[in-house]
Amino acid sequence: DSGVTQTPKHLITATGQRVTLRCSPRSGDLSVYWYQQSLDQGLQFLIQYYNGEERAKGNILERFSAQQFPDLHSELNLSSLELGDSALYFCASSRDTLSEQPQHFGDGTRLSIL
Amino acid sequence: GQQLNQSPQSMFIQEGEDVSMNCTSSSIFNTWLWYKQDPGEGPVLLIALYKAGELTSNGRLTAQFGITRKDSFLNISASIPSDVGIYFCAGVPSNDYKLSFGAGTTVTVRA
Repeated sequence: DSGVTQTPKHLITATGQRVTLRCSPRSGDLSVYWYQQSLDQGLQFLIQYYNGEERAKGNILERFSAQQFPDLHSELNLSSLELGDSALYFCASSRDTLSEQPQHFGDGTRLSIL
Repeated sequence: GQQLNQSPQSMFIQEGEDVSMNCTSSSIFNTWLWYKQDPGEGPVLLIALYKAGELTSNGRLTAQFGITRKDSFLNISASIPSDVGIYFCAGVPSNDYKLSFGAGTTVTVRA
């Protein structure tokens, strides 16, 4: 058990819809990272938050947004969903933003767009 | 992100065999990491490397940070059935702070 909790585990929705994925980091970890894993792209870094502030942005589409709340949980919002957004979305956490890399990954949310 | 070339793409292992996989890049990296992902789970960090030439072990796993800072390898000695899964290399390039992942090496037990 990594200590990182992601909900829901599975999500099935239709094109054009909007969904919110939730992540609770490991206790004491201040950094949260979001990754997208699809069959043809591997693990792609989307965005990182540290203690409520955005710290780094990767290949995140404009239709996607995220935030980290004062209690350090994070949400990833995906809107105007397209078929190609079907993927596993992972959240990871670490204690420090600069000296550590994503140490602990959640088990992911599997998003299926019909 | 930075391009990481991980090979082999897949391999079959027999129990007791030593196996090896590697990751290369055209850019210099400051950090190399190796993760393992089991079906239905998130990646688990196995080994982290922070200095060129560094050789680090974690049980039967050994990883090295190449002296050119452009490559890393992971060895698994005396493999056992639970070693099956997908192994990912990941790295932080010297001109960035974001982690890039390789495409993964899928390890399967040979029947």
